[in-house]
Amino acid sequence: AQTVTQSQPEMSVQEAETVTLSCTYDTSENNYYLFWYKQPPSRQMILVIRQEAYKQQNATENRFSVNFQKAAKSFSLKISDSQLGDTAMYFCALRAAGNKLTFGGGTRVLVKP
Amino acid sequence: NAGVTQTPKFQVLKTGQSMTLQCAQDMNHEYMSWYRQDPGMGLRLIHYSVGAGITDQGEVPNGYNVSRSTTEDFPLRLLSAAPSQTSVYFCASSRRGADIRTEAFFGQGTRLTVV
Repeated sequence: AQTVTQSQPEMSVQEAETVTLSCTYDTSENNYYLFWYKQPPSRQMILVIRQEAYKQQNATENRFSVNFQKAAKSFSLKISDSQLGDTAMYFCALRAAGNKLTFGGGTRVLVKP
Repeated sequence: NAGVTQTPKFQVLKTGQSMTLQCAQDMNHEYMSWYRQDPGMGLRLIHYSVGAGITDQGEVPNGYNVSRSTTEDFPLRLLSAAPSQTSVYFCASSRRGADIRTEAFFGQGTRLTVV
């Protein structure tokens, strides 16, 4: 079985500041992908960034970057230069063999003006 | 692009009633799944399908049925609604296969309240 844990239920950050969201996971598979999804108040699930387990280089998408520590099974998300539109729930997720996507409990991020 | 379409967006049911949540995708994706989202618990997998005619249980299947007669459609049936099924439901689809980098596409969700 695979599990994903997000230990921060809520975080707040000032506009233009940086915030880091934590995620730890567990899987017995060697080949897997990790994802961060954003869910704004509209409820739509939006892919933010993905990371392949075999790649040591951390993925980056504009203001979003990850810190992937495979040995520690840690996959944190950093949001730089936070914007009001970043206010949302953020979910960490893992996909291994079998295509099942397992989610963490989510972290609510509030960006304050 | 329609993507993944879920209907209805909101629904209120009385305990014991049955209903079907509809999900359709137009991307020819083999893999489809249903999740429920509850506060603090993220999204939990209810049922999934790897292709037409094939379905399997996820983490929380009790009280729900699914079928997959076509590639496009994957309805979720609540046979006898209970208050514990009050939740937000998401349908998702993705390409199947060894390419696990494939992104999952989600519907807009259905907020279901059972009274």
